[in-house]
Amino acid sequence: KNQVEQSPQSLIILEGKNCTLQCNYTVSPFSNLRWYKQDTGRGPVSLTIMTFSENTKSNGRYTATLDADTKQSSLHITASQLSDSASYICVVSDRGSTLGRLYFGRGTQLTVWP
Amino acid sequence: EADIYQTPRYLVIGTGKKITLECSQTMGHDKMYWYQQDPGMELHLIHYSYGVNSTEKGDLSSESTVSRIRTEHFPLTLESARPSHTSQYLCASSELLETQYFGPGTRLLVL
Repeated sequence: KNQVEQSPQSLIILEGKNCTLQCNYTVSPFSNLRWYKQDTGRGPVSLTIMTFSENTKSNGRYTATLDADTKQSSLHITASQLSDSASYICVVSDRGSTLGRLYFGRGTQLTVWP
Repeated sequence: EADIYQTPRYLVIGTGKKITLECSQTMGHDKMYWYQQDPGMELHLIHYSYGVNSTEKGDLSSESTVSRIRTEHFPLTLESARPSHTSQYLCASSELLETQYFGPGTRLLVL
Protein backbone atom coordinates (compact mmCIF):
# COMPACT_ATOMS: atom_id res chain seq x y z
CA LYS A 1 0.00 0.00 0.00
CA ASN A 2 1.38 3.40 -0.99
CA GLN A 3 1.85 5.53 2.10
CA VAL A 4 3.69 8.58 3.34
CA GLU A 5 4.57 8.75 7.03
CA GLN A 6 5.93 11.85 8.71
CA SER A 7 7.60 12.34 12.05
CA PRO A 8 7.42 13.88 14.49
CA GLN A 9 3.72 14.70 14.48
CA SER A 10 4.50 17.99 16.24
CA LEU A 11 7.61 19.84 17.27
CA ILE A 12 8.33 22.90 19.40
CA ILE A 13 11.66 24.68 19.11
CA LEU A 14 13.11 28.00 20.19
CA GLU A 15 13.73 30.77 17.70
CA GLY A 16 17.17 30.52 16.14
CA LYS A 17 17.49 26.76 16.61
CA ASN A 18 17.73 24.20 13.83
CA CYS A 19 15.37 21.27 13.33
CA THR A 20 14.90 18.28 11.05
CA LEU A 21 11.62 16.78 9.93
CA GLN A 22 11.36 13.24 8.59
CA CYS A 23 9.37 11.62 5.82
CA ASN A 24 9.26 7.90 5.01
CA TYR A 25 7.34 6.62 2.03
CA THR A 26 6.38 3.35 0.37
CA VAL A 27 5.13 4.86 -2.90
CA SER A 28 6.14 2.91 -5.96
CA PRO A 29 6.93 3.62 -8.70
CA PHE A 30 8.48 6.88 -7.55
CA SER A 31 8.46 10.08 -9.56
CA ASN A 32 9.26 12.94 -7.21
CA LEU A 33 8.96 14.18 -3.65
CA ARG A 34 7.84 17.62 -2.59
CA TRP A 35 7.86 19.44 0.71
CA TYR A 36 5.06 21.95 1.27
CA LYS A 37 4.60 24.55 4.00
CA GLN A 38 1.05 25.20 5.15
CA ASP A 39 0.37 28.18 7.37
CA THR A 40 -2.71 27.99 9.59
CA GLY A 41 -5.82 28.75 7.58
CA ARG A 42 -3.94 28.85 4.27
CA GLY A 43 -3.26 26.51 1.40
CA PRO A 44 0.07 24.64 1.13
CA VAL A 45 2.97 26.34 -0.63
CA SER A 46 5.72 24.34 -2.33
CA LEU A 47 9.21 24.58 -0.76
CA THR A 48 11.24 22.00 -2.70
CA ILE A 49 10.84 19.27 -5.27
CA MET A 50 13.27 16.39 -5.78
CA THR A 51 13.39 13.67 -8.38
CA PHE A 52 14.97 10.23 -8.13
CA SER A 53 18.45 11.42 -9.12
CA GLU A 54 18.62 14.32 -6.65
CA ASN A 55 19.71 13.78 -3.05
CA THR A 56 19.71 17.33 -1.73
CA LYS A 57 18.07 20.62 -2.59
CA SER A 58 18.04 23.95 -0.78
CA ASN A 59 15.61 26.85 -0.71
CA GLY A 60 17.00 29.55 1.56
CA ARG A 61 17.04 28.20 5.13
CA TYR A 62 15.26 25.02 4.03
CA THR A 63 17.32 22.02 2.88
CA ALA A 64 15.67 18.82 1.77
CA THR A 65 17.41 15.47 1.35
CA LEU A 66 16.28 12.35 -0.42
CA ASP A 67 17.51 8.76 -0.12
CA ALA A 68 15.62 6.90 -2.83
CA ASP A 69 17.14 3.57 -1.77
CA THR A 70 15.76 3.72 1.77
CA LYS A 71 12.73 5.80 0.68
CA GLN A 72 13.41 8.50 3.20
CA SER A 73 13.48 12.27 3.01
CA SER A 74 14.23 14.98 5.51
CA LEU A 75 13.63 18.71 5.68
CA HIS A 76 16.19 20.66 7.66
CA ILE A 77 15.37 24.18 8.80
CA THR A 78 18.30 26.35 9.81
CA ALA A 79 18.15 29.27 12.24
CA SER A 80 14.40 29.02 12.72
CA GLN A 81 12.20 32.10 12.73
CA LEU A 82 8.78 32.71 14.22
CA SER A 83 7.35 32.73 10.70
CA ASP A 84 8.47 29.12 10.27
CA SER A 85 5.61 28.06 12.55
CA ALA A 86 3.42 26.00 10.22
CA SER A 87 2.59 22.48 9.13
CA TYR A 88 5.17 20.90 6.82
CA ILE A 89 3.74 18.32 4.46
CA CYS A 90 5.65 15.68 2.53
CA VAL A 91 4.06 14.75 -0.81
CA VAL A 92 5.21 11.88 -3.02
CA SER A 93 4.19 11.46 -6.65
CA ASP A 94 4.14 8.19 -8.52
CA ARG A 95 4.53 7.83 -12.25
CA GLY A 96 1.90 5.15 -12.59
CA SER A 97 -0.43 7.31 -14.61
CA THR A 98 -0.55 10.53 -16.59
CA LEU A 99 -2.12 12.11 -13.54
CA GLY A 100 1.06 11.52 -11.53
CA ARG A 101 -0.95 10.68 -8.45
CA LEU A 102 0.05 12.43 -5.23
CA TYR A 103 0.31 10.82 -1.81
CA PHE A 104 0.18 13.22 1.12
CA GLY A 105 1.63 12.83 4.60
CA ARG A 106 -0.28 14.19 7.59
CA GLY A 107 2.34 16.83 8.17
CA THR A 108 4.56 17.89 11.05
CA GLN A 109 3.20 20.81 13.02
CA LEU A 110 6.17 23.05 13.86
CA THR A 111 5.90 25.76 16.48
CA VAL A 112 8.74 28.23 16.93
CA TRP A 113 8.79 30.08 20.24
CA PRO A 114 10.59 33.36 20.89
CA GLU B 1 2.44 34.13 -4.92
CA ALA B 2 0.10 31.89 -6.88
CA ASP B 3 -2.92 33.44 -8.59
CA ILE B 4 -5.57 31.05 -7.38
CA TYR B 5 -8.58 32.25 -5.45
CA GLN B 6 -11.30 30.66 -3.39
CA THR B 7 -14.54 32.09 -2.08
CA PRO B 8 -15.96 32.16 0.43
CA ARG B 9 -13.09 31.77 2.89
CA TYR B 10 -15.49 30.80 5.68
CA LEU B 11 -19.05 29.49 5.46
CA VAL B 12 -21.50 28.50 8.18
CA ILE B 13 -24.68 26.95 6.85
CA GLY B 14 -27.60 24.85 7.97
CA THR B 15 -28.22 21.20 7.13
CA GLY B 16 -29.95 20.62 3.81
CA LYS B 17 -28.79 23.82 2.13
CA LYS B 18 -27.22 23.83 -1.32
CA ILE B 19 -23.78 25.45 -1.46
CA THR B 20 -21.22 26.21 -4.14
CA LEU B 21 -17.56 26.77 -3.34
CA GLU B 22 -15.83 28.90 -5.94
CA CYS B 23 -12.30 28.42 -7.26
CA SER B 24 -10.61 30.38 -10.00
CA GLN B 25 -7.05 30.68 -11.29
CA THR B 26 -5.45 33.11 -13.69
CA MET B 27 -2.37 31.05 -14.57
CA GLY B 28 -3.94 29.24 -17.52
CA HIS B 29 -3.38 25.84 -15.91
CA ASP B 30 -5.20 22.91 -17.47
CA LYS B 31 -5.20 20.75 -14.33
CA MET B 32 -7.35 21.66 -11.36
CA TYR B 33 -8.11 19.78 -8.14
CA TRP B 34 -10.31 19.82 -5.08
CA TYR B 35 -9.03 18.45 -1.78
CA GLN B 36 -10.70 17.94 1.58
CA GLN B 37 -8.59 18.37 4.71
CA ASP B 38 -9.62 17.80 8.31
CA PRO B 39 -7.50 19.26 11.16
CA GLY B 40 -4.23 17.37 11.61
CA MET B 41 -5.00 15.03 8.76
CA GLU B 42 -3.66 14.60 5.24
CA LEU B 43 -5.25 16.12 2.16
CA HIS B 44 -7.68 13.86 0.34
CA LEU B 45 -8.35 14.32 -3.37
CA ILE B 46 -12.09 14.47 -4.05
CA HIS B 47 -12.23 15.79 -7.64
CA TYR B 48 -9.87 16.73 -10.46
CA SER B 49 -10.02 18.00 -14.00
CA TYR B 50 -7.65 17.72 -16.96
CA GLY B 51 -9.25 20.64 -18.75
CA VAL B 52 -12.51 22.10 -19.98
CA ASN B 53 -15.41 19.62 -19.89
CA SER B 54 -13.21 17.05 -18.11
CA THR B 55 -13.96 16.05 -14.51
CA GLU B 56 -13.06 12.95 -12.52
CA LYS B 57 -13.69 11.71 -8.99
CA GLY B 58 -10.71 11.44 -6.71
CA ASP B 59 -9.71 8.97 -4.04
CA LEU B 60 -12.12 10.06 -1.33
CA SER B 61 -15.77 9.42 -1.94
CA SER B 62 -17.63 12.69 -1.90
CA GLU B 63 -21.25 13.70 -2.35
CA SER B 64 -20.13 16.89 -4.03
CA THR B 65 -20.06 17.58 -7.77
CA VAL B 66 -17.83 19.78 -9.90
CA SER B 67 -17.94 21.40 -13.31
CA ARG B 68 -15.29 22.81 -15.67
CA ILE B 69 -16.91 25.01 -18.25
CA ARG B 70 -14.02 27.46 -18.41
CA THR B 71 -10.30 26.82 -17.94
CA GLU B 72 -10.00 29.28 -15.09
CA HIS B 73 -13.06 28.23 -13.10
CA PHE B 74 -13.67 24.99 -11.14
CA PRO B 75 -16.62 25.29 -8.73
CA LEU B 76 -17.62 22.58 -6.27
CA THR B 77 -21.29 22.08 -5.32
CA LEU B 78 -22.97 20.29 -2.44
CA GLU B 79 -26.66 19.80 -3.21
CA SER B 80 -27.64 19.15 0.41
CA ALA B 81 -25.11 19.99 3.09
CA ARG B 82 -24.77 17.77 6.16
CA PRO B 83 -22.70 18.12 9.35
CA SER B 84 -20.38 15.37 8.03
CA HIS B 85 -19.38 17.81 5.26
CA THR B 86 -17.78 20.12 7.82
CA SER B 87 -14.15 20.43 6.76
CA GLN B 88 -11.63 22.58 4.94
CA TYR B 89 -11.79 22.48 1.14
CA LEU B 90 -8.66 23.34 -0.84
CA CYS B 91 -8.54 24.04 -4.56
CA ALA B 92 -5.31 23.66 -6.54
CA SER B 93 -4.09 23.95 -10.11
CA SER B 94 -1.02 22.87 -12.04
CA GLU B 95 0.51 22.25 -15.40
CA LEU B 96 0.65 18.53 -16.19
CA LEU B 97 2.84 16.72 -13.62
CA GLU B 98 4.14 20.01 -12.26
CA THR B 99 3.90 21.54 -8.79
CA GLN B 100 0.39 22.24 -7.60
CA TYR B 101 -0.51 25.75 -6.50
CA PHE B 102 -3.11 25.89 -3.76
CA GLY B 103 -5.76 28.44 -2.98
CA PRO B 104 -6.30 29.73 0.58
CA GLY B 105 -9.10 27.24 1.25
CA THR B 106 -12.72 27.42 2.34
CA ARG B 107 -13.58 26.41 5.89
CA LEU B 108 -17.09 24.96 5.89
CA LEU B 109 -19.20 24.42 9.01
CA VAL B 110 -22.56 22.71 8.59
CA LEU B 111 -24.86 22.99 11.58
